Amino acid sequence: NAGVTQTPKFQVLKTGQSMTLQCAQDMNHEYMSWYRQDPGMGLRLIHYSVGAGITDQGEVPNGYNVSRSTTEDFPLRLLSAAPSQTSVYFCASSYGVSPLHFGNGTRLTVT
Amino acid sequence: KQEVTQIPAALSVPEGENLVLNCSFTDSAIYNLQWFRQDPGKGLTSLLLIQSSQREQTSGRLNASLDKSSGRSTLYIAASQPGDSATYLCAVSPHNTDKLIFGTGTRLQVFP
Repeated sequence: NAGVTQTPKFQVLKTGQSMTLQCAQDMNHEYMSWYRQDPGMGLRLIHYSVGAGITDQGEVPNGYNVSRSTTEDFPLRLLSAAPSQTSVYFCASSYGVSPLHFGNGTRLTVT
Repeated sequence: KQEVTQIPAALSVPEGENLVLNCSFTDSAIYNLQWFRQDPGKGLTSLLLIQSSQREQTSGRLNASLDKSSGRSTLYIAASQPGDSATYLCAVSPHNTDKLIFGTGTRLQVFP
């Protein structure tokens, strides 16, 4: 049972480039979400989904897009990377009122 | 706007001590509260989840309490061990949502 899998683990982008962070879970969880973690600011919610075909914005959605075509996958797209998007990105999933399960994160640097 | 605060930001204790980590939140209308552990370079691992109707949850040497009216939760770690060294985060879920609002964490070091 792999849980929540995030790829890649590390990524360096130049300003203006686009990329997709991948997230997959094998627990049949309805709820999936993306957070970013920055020093001194805790984790902040970017986007979330309560099921396939349904997505909504979190606290800091600007510059990011998401889609949920299947229950298992919830990719996060950076449209035009900016240095302010340098961060560690975490994907998480849960079912109902169960605890949130997190992936190991993607460390992104934008130069 | 819900805000979550954790004090202290860092804590260093000798092995064997019982310790308490604090979490406070500004809006008592929460759905649940979760405590997580994060090891360096890793994701978060859920330790305890307390529903808004509950007062406490226990798992092994960990006990978490919730006082909604005062906007506080504590994580009690009994007989601390070096393996407990990690950052501990609390997060609240506003009423009827799955969103989590996180505190900035307490970095715990337990030395032998």
